[in-house]
Amino acid sequence: KAGVTQTPRYLIKTRGQQVTLSCSPISGHRSVSWYQQTPGQGLQFLFEYFSETQRNKGNFPGRFSGRQFSNSRSEMNVSTLELGDSALYLCASSYPGGNTEAFFGQGTRLTVV
Amino acid sequence: QKEVEQNSGPLSVPEGAIASLNCTYSDRGSQSFFWYRQYSGKSPELIMFIYSNGDKEDGRFTAQLNKASQYVSLLIRDSQPSDSATYLCAVGRDYKLSFGAGTTVTVRA
Repeated sequence: KAGVTQTPRYLIKTRGQQVTLSCSPISGHRSVSWYQQTPGQGLQFLFEYFSETQRNKGNFPGRFSGRQFSNSRSEMNVSTLELGDSALYLCASSYPGGNTEAFFGQGTRLTVV
Repeated sequence: QKEVEQNSGPLSVPEGAIASLNCTYSDRGSQSFFWYRQYSGKSPELIMFIYSNGDKEDGRFTAQLNKASQYVSLLIRDSQPSDSATYLCAVGRDYKLSFGAGTTVTVRA
């Protein structure tokens, strides 16, 4: 069974630009969540989607947004990039019920210069 | 107060010994509890999950949950060099995982 697939794996963007990251969940998993990992703040929750609906959102500015498609694939977008947005962005997928086990993709390493 | 706190580490144990990792959480409404292992430069890998009070064993790993004390622990028996990694405690509620800062474990051969 294929795992969670995130693309691209690495990105370098300039401050002020925007970026879109993609996540394909494990087959059969319909819940997708996104996390930001930095050395200073650790792993922080961005948002979670199920059936194209955002069910929870973390404490991030409105520049961070996401969406989910009918096939459960998800994208997240960061607009007006800041240097502090440099991080590893992780997507996790799980079965939709409650708080079940979440499996992470390999992540997208975003560097903002 | 942080939502999830772990022993700061790093933790160094000899090969074959037991590594003991601890985690406390602040939200009494937390519903699910997980331990992830993260190797340097890699993404977190789920190694244990526990939903009810008590112990849960899986191979060399044992997770313990005490909801009254808001405490979760992970024991790694017969530690191997391949267990050297950062271990992340995660607590779930309302479709969100809250993570601790992690404890780095080094197993000395």
